[in-house]
Amino acid sequence: QSALTQPASVSGSPGQSITISCTGTSSDVGSYNLVSWYQQHPGKAPKLMIYEGSKRPSGVSNRFSGSKSGNTASLTISGLQAEDEADYYCCSYAGSITVVFGGGTKLTVL
Amino acid sequence: EVQLVQSGAEVKKPGESLKISCKGSGYRFSSYWIGWVRQMPGKGLEWMGITYPSDSDTRYSPSFQGQVTISADKSISTAYLQWSSLKASDTAMYYCASSGPYCSGGVCFDYWGQGTLVTVSS
Repeated sequence: QSALTQPASVSGSPGQSITISCTGTSSDVGSYNLVSWYQQHPGKAPKLMIYEGSKRPSGVSNRFSGSKSGNTASLTISGLQAEDEADYYCCSYAGSITVVFGGGTKLTVL
Repeated sequence: EVQLVQSGAEVKKPGESLKISCKGSGYRFSSYWIGWVRQMPGKGLEWMGITYPSDSDTRYSPSFQGQVTISADKSISTAYLQWSSLKASDTAMYYCASSGPYCSGGVCFDYWGQGTLVTVSS
């Protein structure tokens, strides 16, 4: 199991949209529609933002959306707000009730 | 309200043993997979393993197999992570996290504990 690949950092201005990619393999991202995304603010526990690739838990803003193409999943945040500045992690099911995280992406709101 | 409350910070010496805990409340603890995630200082999240309290089925990441033991006691809604011999490289924040209504089958984590900081230093 190798970590999923995410860009180390992305940035955007308030009101803009950004997309964070998450590249895996045919053994994880490519095989299952079970990618989740987590937001982590400094010093805080992660928070589930997207599950099953594109579904949002209750209470998560519809500015957050997820998608997948082949071995790459993506998280898009539209209408960027200052409070979106955080680290974001993707996570994929990898079979046999195991999962693998991405390396994380630091989002800076300019 | 669902809560996962973890035990407090620990400072240990290399070679010592340790068991940290995570108590769940506000949901059917035994019905959902519960696992542990490591975050080393300034680094990303690493999935360590997961257990199903109802039948003690436990799975580990290859990176952590044999290095830690994950368990749960459904009678007191508590999960555990333990080491028999700590190393300095075990210094990290450890989060417990549980599946729930969104993440069935242990494929992701709905709920997270507040984290337990483990420091291993001579």
